[in-house]
Amino acid sequence: QSALTQPASVSGSPGQSITISCTGTNSDVGGYNYVSWYQQHPGKAPKVMIYDVSKRPSGVSNRFSGSKSGNTASLTISGLQAEDEGDYYCTSYTSTNTPLFGGGTKLTVL
Amino acid sequence: EVQLVESGGGLIQPGGSLRLSCAASGFTVSGKDLSWVRQAPGKGLEWVSIIYSGGDTFFPDSVKGRFSISRDNSKNTLYLQMNSLRAEDTAVYYCARVVTGLTYYFDYWGQGTLVTVSS
Repeated sequence: QSALTQPASVSGSPGQSITISCTGTNSDVGGYNYVSWYQQHPGKAPKVMIYDVSKRPSGVSNRFSGSKSGNTASLTISGLQAEDEGDYYCTSYTSTNTPLFGGGTKLTVL
Repeated sequence: EVQLVESGGGLIQPGGSLRLSCAASGFTVSGKDLSWVRQAPGKGLEWVSIIYSGGDTFFPDSVKGRFSISRDNSKNTLYLQMNSLRAEDTAVYYCARVVTGLTYYFDYWGQGTLVTVSS
């Protein structure tokens, strides 16, 4: 199964908003509301930022939001801060009862 | 507090075998869904195995037939047995807890253990 499609990189200035897309198929992103997003800083383990398309775990800033339309999910970070810089991965549950990761997006805060 | 601590990584020759361990605390492995996810140097995350609380296990084609996943409830530990290792299996291996049941996401991750397959 091919990875979900994410842009390789995005960038933004402090205070701006950015959006990262995650495109799959009817068998994963489009078929279930089980898309999650993970932030990873260099040398660290991933951390869940969004689950079930748009839910935020306790402790995650409300600057992070998620949405989905058809086979594409999106992560939006508003009020960009330097600490948001890192890699972001989407994941979806699939019709084979397994998870599928996106290829990852490197966010640079200019 | 939930914690996952991986161990067992190291340098192994191609064709060799290695068993990774993931010691859990703050919850019991028997009642949870657990997974191994790897990350090759400079690359993205790749799911490599999952064991559901009912015992069902799944693997992607890249490791199917070579890797197996199991848990020891008495030791509260998750394992990944890796056989016939290849250079492309070189990666940091993370264990992660999966939340399922009208939801699906990885809520806790270990710090990872590095496996290097090289002669």
